[in-house]
Amino acid sequence: AQRVTQPEKLLSVFKGAPVELKCNYSYSGSPELFWYVQYSRQRLQLLLRHISRESIKGFTADLNKGETSFHLKKPFAQEEDSAMYYCALSNNFGNEKLTFGTGTRLTIIP
Amino acid sequence: DTGVSQNPRHKITKRGQNVTFRCDPISEHNRLYWYRQTLGQGPEFLTYFQNEAQLEKSRLLSDRFSAERPKGSFSTLEIQRTEQGDSAMYLCASSSDRSYVNEQFFGPGTRLTVL
Repeated sequence: AQRVTQPEKLLSVFKGAPVELKCNYSYSGSPELFWYVQYSRQRLQLLLRHISRESIKGFTADLNKGETSFHLKKPFAQEEDSAMYYCALSNNFGNEKLTFGTGTRLTIIP
Repeated sequence: DTGVSQNPRHKITKRGQNVTFRCDPISEHNRLYWYRQTLGQGPEFLTYFQNEAQLEKSRLLSDRFSAERPKGSFSTLEIQRTEQGDSAMYLCASSSDRSYVNEQFFGPGTRLTVL
């Protein structure tokens, strides 16, 4: 069965400090990994996906198949980064269902 | 607004009543998903459609739940004989199978409260 684990429900970081949101997964095949974000009073939206290897809003995430992890990182936190972050996976590259973690609420302290 | 829309945004009902939610996906998207989210949890997959065909249903979708997408455009999710445990946020998302990555676009959700 596929599973996504986000060990931290809450994370507080000072503005300008580095951010790391942890995500571990279990999946028997080759998953597609994503980070979704939900800002206050907004809908869930895609932040980034591992296949693109891109940096969005200063965030990056590297897929580590050995450790089955996909941690989200940003070197210098900004106040507008405060939001709920969800790690998710789907199988292969098809448009299949997403399995989400329980989410981490990130608060940036001014 | 060309995004995914859901109606109603909020629904309060009494236990035992039937409720129906509607989702209008992004117009060119042929895949449509339903998820349920309870407090403190991430969204959980319920079912999805490609065009009008329902391709997968989660075990979470009991016999009281039924979803349709009759013309491959909007979709409805009906819950019969609601129970207090059905209280949750119901999310709809859509995507296109012409995209090489699985980017799902979410609606604002319908919050169901069963009294």
